[in-house]
This record gives sequence, C-alpha cells and structure tokens, in this order.
Amino acid sequence: KNQVEQSPQSLIILEGKNCTLQCNYTVSPFSNLRWYKQDTGRGPVSLTIMTFSENTKSNGRYTATLDADTKQSSLHITASQLSDSASYICVVSVASDYKLSFGAGTTVTVRA
Amino acid sequence: DVKVTQSSRYLVKRTGEKVFLECVQDMDHENMFWYRQDPGLGLRLIYFSYDVKMKEKGDIPEGYSVSREKKERFSLILESASTNQTSMYLCASSSGGWQPQHFGDGTRLSIL
Repeated sequence: KNQVEQSPQSLIILEGKNCTLQCNYTVSPFSNLRWYKQDTGRGPVSLTIMTFSENTKSNGRYTATLDADTKQSSLHITASQLSDSASYICVVSVASDYKLSFGAGTTVTVRA
Repeated sequence: DVKVTQSSRYLVKRTGEKVFLECVQDMDHENMFWYRQDPGLGLRLIYFSYDVKMKEKGDIPEGYSVSREKKERFSLILESASTNQTSMYLCASSSGGWQPQHFGDGTRLSIL
C-alpha cells in the first residue's frame, strides 16, 4: 500500500529560527513529490514540486530536498516568520495515475 | 491565479438529510476532485472527475455521489448524511499531468 509518513507531527519554533520537516514514502512507481502549506481554515497551497531527477527545489525561504533512492524528502524553512505557522503536507504521486498519496502533515507553530 | 470556490465554509445538517456541496473553478481545468480531511489522517480522495459527466471512485466513495454537468462545477452529494461524515471537505482542480492541484478553502460539515 502506498504510504506517506511525516515527522514530527508538530513542532514549535521561535521566530527567526530554522526548522526541517521530514517525509518518508513507500509510493511506487514514483512520479513526483509535492509540498503543500495549509493555513488554518484554508485549503492547501502548493509550495514545491519535484520529480525523481531533482534533488533540491526552493521557493523563497522554503527549500525542499528529495532522495529518490531512500524515498525521503525534507522541507527546510529558513528564518521563520509568524506567517509560517501552518500545516505542511507532503504529497506523492504514482506514475501514470491521477491519485495522490497524502501525508498527515506537520503542524508548525512560530512564536515571537 | 486559479480560484476554486466552495459554496459554503460551514454547514450543519441533520442525520438522514441529503446534502449538496458545490465547487466551482475558473481555470477551465479538466480534472476535479473531492477529498475529506480528518485530524491525524491525510487527505482522502472521495471522487474524481476528468471530464464533464465522467467520474471515478476514489478511496472512500461509500455514502457519497458526485455530479459534473458543466466543466467548471463539481458537486458532492451525501445521499443520507450520517454522523461519521462530519468532516472538512476539500475540492480541488488541476489541468492534469505534472500540474499541482489547486484547492478551495474547504467546507466544514457537521452532521448532528
């Protein structure tokens, strides 16, 4: 069964600090991996999308990495801001299939 | 920007009622999706539509049906609402392939 596991479940960081979120998956055959940000009460918004040939992709202060061999991805948030408080969801898609496999998300709380 | 609009942010219904959730997208996307999101679980696909009048079951279709009479509109129907259908419902659309899914802000449905 295709699975996506994220860790930690939640974390609290001080404004200005960095943090890294983890995503492990067993989806096969792999097509691409996406990170979404979901603010409270809003729908998820795409941050990055990576194919198996891409190791790193950035979107402002967000940097995603992918190791397709170990089936691991991470999302690094640099110099966190209060607006980074949200749930971050790792999503993996299967080749030749419209279906996506969603992680349960990591809830990030940034405190002043 | 792509806009996916869900008709209601909050909805309260009674057990046994027939419930309609509406979703409209403004980017002429072929694909539309309905998910439910529950705490501690990843998004789970209820139904998917890849064209007008076309639909496919997702992972948890039981108790739900869908309608897509026009390309921009995708409706989710709870035939006879039950308390275990209390959840956040998210609609999404995409142009397919590598393109990310764009989500609405969700409908928080409570069945009493």
